[in-house]
Amino acid sequence: EPEVTQTPSHQVTQMGQEVILRCVPISNHLYFYWYRQILGQKVEFLVSFYNNEISEKSEIFDDQFSVERPDGSNFTLKIRSTKLEDSAMYFCASRLGLAGYNEQFFGPGTRLTVL
Amino acid sequence: GESVGLHLPTLSVQEGDNSIINCAYSNSASDYFIWYKQESGKGPQFIIDIRSNMDKRQGQRVTVLLNKTVKHLSLQIAATQPGDSAVYFCAEPTGNQFYFGTGTSLTVIP
Repeated sequence: EPEVTQTPSHQVTQMGQEVILRCVPISNHLYFYWYRQILGQKVEFLVSFYNNEISEKSEIFDDQFSVERPDGSNFTLKIRSTKLEDSAMYFCASRLGLAGYNEQFFGPGTRLTVL
Repeated sequence: GESVGLHLPTLSVQEGDNSIINCAYSNSASDYFIWYKQESGKGPQFIIDIRSNMDKRQGQRVTVLLNKTVKHLSLQIAATQPGDSAVYFCAEPTGNQFYFGTGTSLTVIP
């Protein structure tokens, strides 16, 4: 069964450093998402991406964040200058996008720890 | 903004009993809801969805009920098993965003 994959599983970085979280969505899916989940809290929407551009973003997704689909398979989330409060699980998700198929498939997540 | 929440943060049930997990939402225009299960250390996993033109939808051992009058939905798990232990979220897509509730942690007691 196809699945969303994410690398690395755990990323430790120093405050102020740049990090890139990587995701490989399901190959025929058209919509891509990033979410974060601070420990013990709910899953929060960050950004959605379709047709090589951001379609929606939340208030969390400020200028420190960017997303990119550099090739036909990868979907990345970059945090330019990490802050302590960026420590969280980051989940990538993808969705087929056809009418009637609204289920998002989530990856296993990347745990980001900012020291 | 949208608000999706759950009534109880934790729920413990005996193995074999039925579980009921509740969720409330605020946007009366919402027309689609999804229940996700999140096991420890994993990403959310789709369980079942329901559209607002339905009151009930059944899957394998799971049933979702939607009460649009009071803006409430519930997830019922029949014959709960140890493998059902997880956090359960309801999610409400709005446009291209998905809003998740805070989650109910279900513990199945053998």
